[in-house]
Amino acid sequence: AQSVTQPDIHITVSEGASLELRCNYSYGATPYLFWYVQSPGQGLQLLLKYFSGDTLVQGIKGFEAEFKRSQSSFNLRKPSVHWSDAAEYFCAVGPPGGYQKVTFGTGTKLQVIP
Amino acid sequence: EPEVTQTPSHQVTQMGQEVILRCVPISNHLYFYWYRQILGQKVEFLVSFYNNEISEKSEIFDDQFSVERPDGSNFTLKIRSTKLEDSAMYFCASIPGTSPTDTQYFGPGTRLTVL
Repeated sequence: AQSVTQPDIHITVSEGASLELRCNYSYGATPYLFWYVQSPGQGLQLLLKYFSGDTLVQGIKGFEAEFKRSQSSFNLRKPSVHWSDAAEYFCAVGPPGGYQKVTFGTGTKLQVIP
Repeated sequence: EPEVTQTPSHQVTQMGQEVILRCVPISNHLYFYWYRQILGQKVEFLVSFYNNEISEKSEIFDDQFSVERPDGSNFTLKIRSTKLEDSAMYFCASIPGTSPTDTQYFGPGTRLTVL
C-alpha cells in the first residue's frame, strides 16, 4: 500500500532563511508525487508535482522539490522564505495516472518568524 | 482567473440527515474530485469522477456517499444519513483532463458539522 511520511510536524524558520520540508513515501513503482499548501482557513493549492523526467521539479511561489528514488524522498525546498509562506504543507503520493487515489501525509506546519 | 467554487461554506446538520455539498468546477474541466479533511487530520481522497461516472473511490466512500453532475456545471457530493464522524472539511477539485501533467485546482471547501 502507498503511504507518505512527513517526519516534521512543525517547523519554524526565520524570514529570509532557506527551507527544506521532508517527505518520504512508500510505493511499489514510480509514483506520482505532489506538494500542496494550505493557508490558514483556506483550501488546498498544488505547489508542484512530479510525474517523470527531470527529478528536480519547479513549482509556484519559488518552491522546488527533488525526487530521489534511492531514498524514497521528495523534499520540498525554498531558498528564501517569506512571511506569507507560513502555512501547512502536505506531501502526497499517488499511482501513475494522475490524481486518482492520492494519499496525503499528515502535514508540516511552517511558522515564519521575523 | 477561473476558480472552483463550493457552496455552502459551512453546513450544520443533525445526525441522520441527508446533506448535499455543491461544487462548480472550472468550466472546461473534465475530471472532478472530492476530498475530506477531518479537523486536525490529513486530507483524504474520497472519489474521482469522469465522463459522468465514478472512476476511482476510496474505502471511505461507502454506500452513504454518492456523487452526481446533474446539470453539466455542478458537481455534488451527497451524504445520505450523516454520522458524527462525517464532520470535516470537504474539498472539491478539478483538472482539465487533457494531459497527465494537468494542474489540479481546489475549491475553498465546505465545513460540515454534524450534531
